[in-house]
Amino acid sequence: EPEVTQTPSHQVTQMGQEVILRCVPISNHLYFYWYRQILGQKVEFLVSFYNNEISEKSEIFDDQFSVERPDGSNFTLKIRSTKLEDSAMYFCASSGRRGPLNYGYTFGSGTRLTVV
Amino acid sequence: RKEVEQDPGPFNVPEGATVAFNCTYSNSASQSFFWYRQDCRKEPKLLMSVYSSGNEDGRFTAQLNRASQYISLLIRDSKLSDSATYLCVVPPVGNNRLAFGKGNQVVVIP
Repeated sequence: EPEVTQTPSHQVTQMGQEVILRCVPISNHLYFYWYRQILGQKVEFLVSFYNNEISEKSEIFDDQFSVERPDGSNFTLKIRSTKLEDSAMYFCASSGRRGPLNYGYTFGSGTRLTVV
Repeated sequence: RKEVEQDPGPFNVPEGATVAFNCTYSNSASQSFFWYRQDCRKEPKLLMSVYSSGNEDGRFTAQLNRASQYISLLIRDSKLSDSATYLCVVPPVGNNRLAFGKGNQVVVIP
């Protein structure tokens, strides 16, 4: 079964440092997403990406965040200057189509980011 | 009102028993509904879609009540392996993002 792959599985960083979280979506998928889940809280949408541009972003996705698809296979989330409250599990996801149905919407296994 | 609301529990269920829980959603125009399962510190995984007529997949039954704006999940003959958090997901209309509830934590007790 096709998978969404995320690296690293766990990253520890110091406050103020930049981090890049990496994802390889399913190869024929067109829509890419980042979500985060703070420990004990619900999964929250950050950003969606289609046709090499952001299609939607949430209030959480401020100027400290950016996304990129640099080479046609990787999809990255960069946090420019990490804060303690950025500590969370970050999930990448991809889907094959836009629309109301869940066309193969698949999540990666996540990167646990710890900011110290 | 939150997009998707769930009573987090936990729901402690004896093995073999039935457990059911609901999720309410705020947008009456919502068209699609899903239940996801999330194990501790793992990614959400699609359990089942919820259709207007209700649907069943083995021991799991999902139903939709549009008038009262809630969906439900029922698990029959609970197994220890059913212990997980069940997430209600309602995509906003015309949108690809998923709106998650906080989840119903189910603990199946031997």
